[in-house]
Amino acid sequence: DTAVSQTPKYLVTQMGNDKSIKCEQNLGHDTMYWYKQDSKKFLKIMFSYNNKELIINETVPNRFSPKSPDKAHLNLHINSLELGDSAVYFCASSQKVTYEQYFGPGTRLTVT
Amino acid sequence: AQSVAQPEDQVNVAEGNPLTVKCTYSVSGNPYLFWYVQYPNRGLQFLLKYITGDNLVKGSYGFEAEFNKSQTSFHLKKPSALVSDSALYFCAVRRINDMRFGAGTRLTVKP
Repeated sequence: DTAVSQTPKYLVTQMGNDKSIKCEQNLGHDTMYWYKQDSKKFLKIMFSYNNKELIINETVPNRFSPKSPDKAHLNLHINSLELGDSAVYFCASSQKVTYEQYFGPGTRLTVT
Repeated sequence: AQSVAQPEDQVNVAEGNPLTVKCTYSVSGNPYLFWYVQYPNRGLQFLLKYITGDNLVKGSYGFEAEFNKSQTSFHLKKPSALVSDSALYFCAVRRINDMRFGAGTRLTVKP
C-alpha cells in the first residue's frame, strides 16, 4: 500500500483556472504538509497541518488554500492559476512535527 | 533561525569510491538533522536522522552521517558508491513547526 498518495500525478491547465490536488496518508500520522519544488529543485514549505489545524502558513498567495477534512487527508486548492505556479507539489506527513517526514510522489502542475 | 547549507551543487565520484555530501547547519539549541534522497520524478525518501547520542548515524542503503558539533556539520557518507546512488540529496533541520531543507546536492556516480 502506498503510504502517502497524491492525485493527480500530472495536471496541465490554463491560466485563470481553479484546480485541486488531493493527498492521503495511511500511516496514522498527525501532521501533514504541502511543499512546492521549483525548476531548480528548491523545496519550499507552504503549509503544515497538525491534527487538522493549520500551524504553518508560509508566505504563499491567498489563491492557495489547504483543506484538511480529517487527519489522513490534506488537499490543496489553487484559484486563478498563474504561469508562476508551474512546479511540482509534494505532500508529506510525519508523526509529530519533530519526526521524519514521508513524501508523496508529487504532482507536476503545468500552467499554460 | 534554524537553517542548513549544502555548499556543493554537484558531486561526482567514481563507482566504488567513497562519497561525501556536505551539510552545515545553523541552529540555536540542539539540532535535529536529517538527510533525504530524491530520485528522478519521485518524492523525497528519508535516509537518516540525528537527534542525540552517537555522532555517527547509520541509515538506509549503506549511508551514514557524522554529526560534528564543533564544525556545525552533518556530512553524508558512504564507503563505496554505486551508480544507483546517483540522485539529489537534501539535508534538513527541524524547526519549531516544520522542517527546513537545504538547496540540494546532485550526486553523480560514474561507472
